[in-house]
Amino acid sequence: DAGVTQSPTHLIKTRGQQVTLRCSPKSGHDTVSWYQQALGQGPQFIFQYYEEEERQRGNFPDRFSGHQFPNYSSELNVNALLLGDSALYLCASSELGVSGRNTGELFFGEGSRLTVL
Amino acid sequence: AQSVTQLGSHVSVSEGALVLLRCNYSSSVPPYLFWYVQYPNQGLQLLLKYTSAATLVKGINGFEAEFKKSETSFHLTKPSAHMSDAAEYFCAVSDAGNNRKLIWGLGTSLAVNP
Repeated sequence: DAGVTQSPTHLIKTRGQQVTLRCSPKSGHDTVSWYQQALGQGPQFIFQYYEEEERQRGNFPDRFSGHQFPNYSSELNVNALLLGDSALYLCASSELGVSGRNTGELFFGEGSRLTVL
Repeated sequence: AQSVTQLGSHVSVSEGALVLLRCNYSSSVPPYLFWYVQYPNQGLQLLLKYTSAATLVKGINGFEAEFKKSETSFHLTKPSAHMSDAAEYFCAVSDAGNNRKLIWGLGTSLAVNP
């Protein structure tokens, strides 16, 4: 049973560029959440996708956008990159849509390390 | 609104000593509580969770936590620290009124000294 997979694992971009990060959820999960984790900090919630729609959003600008596909996989897009966007981007999946089984537990991928120069 | 406070951003113990990482929460409804561990340059891994069953919860790698409603605490313990326990530990509470979104503490960095 594959867990949450993310790609790429590492990438380097320059300011002003755009980046797309990808995530495949754990088998059986229908909800994907994205987090940004700066060095030495805790994870910061970006947004959550369920049924191909953004259901919740944290305090991030519109430069951060996402998408969820019919197979539940997801993408995180960041436009006009800033130096401050350098971070570990974590994808987490859960089974929000399954009644009675949603405890909030998240299953995380290994993350995508983005460096903006 | 729910919140989580982790007391001590850095904790240092000797190998073989007791590990105690503190977590207090606030919640107006019965909470679901979690401890996650993050090793350097890796994602977060669930250590254990409380979901209103037994108040003493056992997790992986010898860790356990006790839910104490009267103290609104969910402290993480391990009787004997191992060098491999050095990592960042995050406590989180599940927001019952918001699709169970996790509310995170700021984390505690555990160092284990030989």
